[in-house]
Amino acid sequence: QAQLVQAGSELKKPGASVTVSCKASGYSFTSYALSWVRQAPGQRLEWMGWINTNTGNPTYVQGFTGRFVFSLDTSVSTAYLQISSLKAEDTAIYYCARGSTILQVVDAFDIWGQGTMVTVSS
Amino acid sequence: DIVLTQTPLSSPVTLGQPASISCRSSQSLVHSDGNTYLSWLQQRPGQPPRLLIYKISDRFPGVPDRFSGSGAGTDFTLKISRVEAADVAIYYCMQATQFPSFGQGTKLQIK
Repeated sequence: QAQLVQAGSELKKPGASVTVSCKASGYSFTSYALSWVRQAPGQRLEWMGWINTNTGNPTYVQGFTGRFVFSLDTSVSTAYLQISSLKAEDTAIYYCARGSTILQVVDAFDIWGQGTMVTVSS
Repeated sequence: DIVLTQTPLSSPVTLGQPASISCRSSQSLVHSDGNTYLSWLQQRPGQPPRLLIYKISDRFPGVPDRFSGSGAGTDFTLKISRVEAADVAIYYCMQATQFPSFGQGTKLQIK
């Protein structure tokens, strides 16, 4: 069945970088939009943006520009979120989520990765 | 930006009884294509969110028919007809008519 697999957790120091991976299986990776969603402790879910898995074109929401980069490796059906110059406030669970409709539409999220907990602490 | 406000934030419910969660949007969620991209998600403790309902009232495959969605424009409701222990979770509404945003979540607990 279709699924998205993410690694469990990362512990990083302030100023470092982290790359979160999201490996898809069970469906045509390049047919569905892939979004990134942040869940900070005690906060509501936040949509960070999405990447067109066919063209590789990313879209970032305000607040997630500059230090955040979405990328793909379609040869292994994997999406990546890179965060640079980490700050304590980046501590959160980061989820990847698939758009539910084919043809790169962000409408509802029908498949979610398990999430990667990124902790930024000195 | 569209802001979604859920009520209540916490809902203690007796097993077997119904539960209802409201989601109000700061503006209409009717898209120019005529669809309303309002969905409901369930997040059990330690789990990622799970899609329950999309486009106001379409149940995602595998979701029990105890769950139903309704509403239009700016006001939407998720109803659980008979609450079971497995329904203990936080429920979020989400809109994707514009850039996606989420409600603050409603914690469903057993009384």
